Amino acid sequence: AQSVTQLGSHVSVSEGALVLLRCNYSSSVPPYLFWYVQYPNQGLQLLLKYTSAATLVKGINGFEAEFKKSETSFHLTKPSAHMSDAAEYFCAVNSGNTPLVFGKGTRLSVIA
Amino acid sequence: DVKVTQSSRYLVKRTGEKVFLECVQDMDHENMFWYRQDPGLGLRLIYFSYDVKMKEKGDIPEGYSVSREKKERFSLILESASTNQTSMYLCASKPTAANTGELFFGEGSRLTVL
Repeated sequence: AQSVTQLGSHVSVSEGALVLLRCNYSSSVPPYLFWYVQYPNQGLQLLLKYTSAATLVKGINGFEAEFKKSETSFHLTKPSAHMSDAAEYFCAVNSGNTPLVFGKGTRLSVIA
Repeated sequence: DVKVTQSSRYLVKRTGEKVFLECVQDMDHENMFWYRQDPGLGLRLIYFSYDVKMKEKGDIPEGYSVSREKKERFSLILESASTNQTSMYLCASKPTAANTGELFFGEGSRLTVL
């Protein structure tokens, strides 16, 4: 069975500060990992995905994530937070022919 | 451009009513999914379909059913709505069952059951 744990249901950063959203996964086979973002009153959109190519994955809006097999982690980072980054972020995993399994989400607040 | 359309953004229903949530995608995708989103619980899979007339139960199918008569349309049905089904419902699709496929989401249907 696969699962995802997002550490911290709410993260607050100052504008211009580093954003770090944590995600750890559990999977018995090599996983595919995703980060999605949800802005208020909207559906989810893909930020980036890891599909067993490069371990450092770059996504939209300046976000990136690094796959670390030894730590079973796929943390999301952005060097400098912008007010427009305020949203809810979901980490997700699948492996084998199964639907995507999502974490519980982390709400990011950006303080001016 | 890719489009998943959920016909109702906001619905208010009474306990015991039958509720239909409609989802249409225009990308010729084979796979479609219904998730439920609740604060602190993230997204939980209700039902999914890998092909027309095919359906599979997800993690929380109780109290729900689905219909997929045409490739582009995937309907979620609440036979007898209850207050604990008050939630945000998200429809998604992707081209095939391949693992690397991105999920495309609709904007969601927020259902309130009184």
